Amino acid sequence: EAAVTQSPRNKVTVTGGNVTLSCRQTNSHNYMYWYRQDTGHGLRLIHYSYGAGNLQIGDVPDGYKATRTTQEDFFLLLELASPSQTSLYFCASSWTGSGNTLYFGEGSRLIVV
Amino acid sequence: TQTVSQSDAHVTVFEGDSVELRCNYSYGGSIYLSWYIQHHGHGLQFLLKYYSGNPVVQGVNGFEAEFSKSDSSFHLRKASVHWSDSAVYFCAVSSGGSNAKLTFGKGTKLSVKS
Repeated sequence: EAAVTQSPRNKVTVTGGNVTLSCRQTNSHNYMYWYRQDTGHGLRLIHYSYGAGNLQIGDVPDGYKATRTTQEDFFLLLELASPSQTSLYFCASSWTGSGNTLYFGEGSRLIVV
Repeated sequence: TQTVSQSDAHVTVFEGDSVELRCNYSYGGSIYLSWYIQHHGHGLQFLLKYYSGNPVVQGVNGFEAEFSKSDSSFHLRKASVHWSDSAVYFCAVSSGGSNAKLTFGKGTKLSVKS
């Protein structure tokens, strides 16, 4: 079974701070995703990637950067964190894009004060 | 643009009851539909999906879903729920393209009372 590991699991930062959320998957999946989950909005796609060095823009990309350094590792970068980015962030991976079954990590809760 | 709607934010049933969680979508072309479950404090886990063929698909733990093109729906059902089925359920849709992304509904929280 695919394993997706996120770190940190919990993070508190100040407005304007710099945050990096990390995700590693160990099943050699091609696709990796970053979602945010907020009450009343469900899951919204921030960025995704279909391989090392590739980045695709999701539905809510403003204020976020992402980088896929290897097939295993996908990072989400908040360079000037704002309170509106307080959320629960999920990383996921899948073998293919179309008809994909996603495997999720346990989430990273970020609070921006 | 693909969209997915889950009309019920919260459903409460008793253990042993049947349940149907509703999902409607809009998209004009080939489409993949899936359901995921999220237990409190955890990530989402895949339940089942449909692309073509038999419109009734079976998933894990006794869940099934039925695709209806005429109603643009993909409702999830279970004949007899257990307290451990209490969770948030997400319907998701993706197009048939090679680089398709998955769009999730807002989720339905299922509470099972004993």
